Amino acid sequence: SQQGEEDPQALSIQEGENATMNCSYKTSINNLQWYRQNSGRGLVHLILIRSNEREKHSGRLRVTLDTSKKSSSLLITASRAADTASYFCATDGSYNTDKLIFGTGTRLQVFP
Amino acid sequence: SQTIHQWPATLVQPVGSPLSLECTVEGTSNPNLYWYRQAAGRGLQLLFYSVGIGQISSEVPQNLSASRPQDRQFILSSKKLLLSDSGFYLCAWSGPPGDTQYFGPGTRLTVL
Repeated sequence: SQQGEEDPQALSIQEGENATMNCSYKTSINNLQWYRQNSGRGLVHLILIRSNEREKHSGRLRVTLDTSKKSSSLLITASRAADTASYFCATDGSYNTDKLIFGTGTRLQVFP
Repeated sequence: SQTIHQWPATLVQPVGSPLSLECTVEGTSNPNLYWYRQAAGRGLQLLFYSVGIGQISSEVPQNLSASRPQDRQFILSSKKLLLSDSGFYLCAWSGPPGDTQYFGPGTRLTVL
């Protein structure tokens, strides 16, 4: 079953603008992760945020987590054409941590 | 450093033919291993995961199977491919369960 659902499904912006993607999930988690996938490639891990954290930064990335609303957001500031990719959230399950459940992804297009 | 390899990179197979995709990990021991399938423009579907040699958990009933004959080798197989088996197959490894997953480059399978 799908644990994470990203919103929007697709997002188009101009270089220099900020991009915000949201993820909602259904069950309790220990951590939530964001991954990036360039077309036809494997996924690359971006950031992991634990359930007791509310915000985390990595370079131009900012991730927030609201466990009461079972949601997370990924903000990419000052976007670049090279940020064009699909972005996925993934959650573990607090009852079965052997695996991650990935969301459906947000396709981000950044126009130069 | 750890690396993950998948081969072949692309594969075109007729319906009813067998399949064997291989994934190997270097630079770590006793990894958790995962096989995912991704349909075009879609999210990741977890097919199998393994927490140790000979230990395979199947997530989705289908005509695919997985084996882990060695600690760092994960194989995805089918005796008879179906058209619906077409897709992008990704192998991943992680350390502790639920932690960051590291993905291989993927195999694009087309069944004709």
